[in-house]
Amino acid sequence: AQSVSQHNHHVILSEAASLELGCNYSYGGTVNLFWYVQYPGQHLQLLLKYFSGDPLVKGIKGFEAEFIKSKFSFNLRKPSVQWSDTAEYFCAVNAYSSASKIIFGSGTRLSIRP
Amino acid sequence: EAGVTQFPSHSVIEKGQTVTLRCDPISGHDNLYWYRRVMGKEIKFLLHFVKESKQDESGMPNNRFLAERTGGTYSTLKVQPAELEDSGVYFCASSQDEGYYGYTFGSGTRLTVV
Repeated sequence: AQSVSQHNHHVILSEAASLELGCNYSYGGTVNLFWYVQYPGQHLQLLLKYFSGDPLVKGIKGFEAEFIKSKFSFNLRKPSVQWSDTAEYFCAVNAYSSASKIIFGSGTRLSIRP
Repeated sequence: EAGVTQFPSHSVIEKGQTVTLRCDPISGHDNLYWYRRVMGKEIKFLLHFVKESKQDESGMPNNRFLAERTGGTYSTLKVQPAELEDSGVYFCASSQDEGYYGYTFGSGTRLTVV
C-alpha cells in the first residue's frame, strides 16, 4: 500500500530563513506527487505538483520541490520564508496506476517568527 | 468559477446523534472525494464518487458512515450514530479528471462529537 511520510511535525523558523520540508513516499511504480498548503482558516490549496519531466518543479509563492526517484523523496524548499508562509503543508502521492485516491502525509506545521 | 462548497463549517453533536455533511463540487466535476483528518493526523481517504456511482469506498471506517451522491451533483455524508472517535475535519474535493492532476478542496467541516 502507498504511504507518505513527513518527517517534521512542527517547524519554527525566523523570517528570511531557508526552508526544507522532507517527504518520502512508498510506492514502486510511477507516481504523481503534490504539495498542498492550508493557511489558517482557509481550505487546502495546491502548491505544486510533479508528473514527469524536470524533477525540479516550481510552484506558487516561490516554493519549489525536487523529486529524487532513487530516494523516493519529494522535498519542499523555499530560499527565504516570510511570515505569511505560516501554514500547514501536506505532501501527497497518487499512484499513476490507480488513477485516483491521493494519499496524504500527516502534515508539517510551519510557524514563522516575524 | 465557484469552488467546492461544504456545509456546515462546524458541527457539534452528542454521541449517538446523527449528522449529515454536505458537499457541492465544482460544476461539471464528475469526480468527488471525501477525506477525513482526525486529531492532527494524516488526511485519510474515505471514498470516491464518479458521477453518482461509488468508485472506491475502501476508506469508509464502518457502516455508521453512509455517503450518497444522488444525480451526480452534490454529495452527503451521514454519520449515524456518531461516536467520539468520529470527531475531526471532513474534507470534500472534486476533480474533472480522475485525480491525476490534483483535486480542488472545500474548506472542510469540523465535526465534534461530545
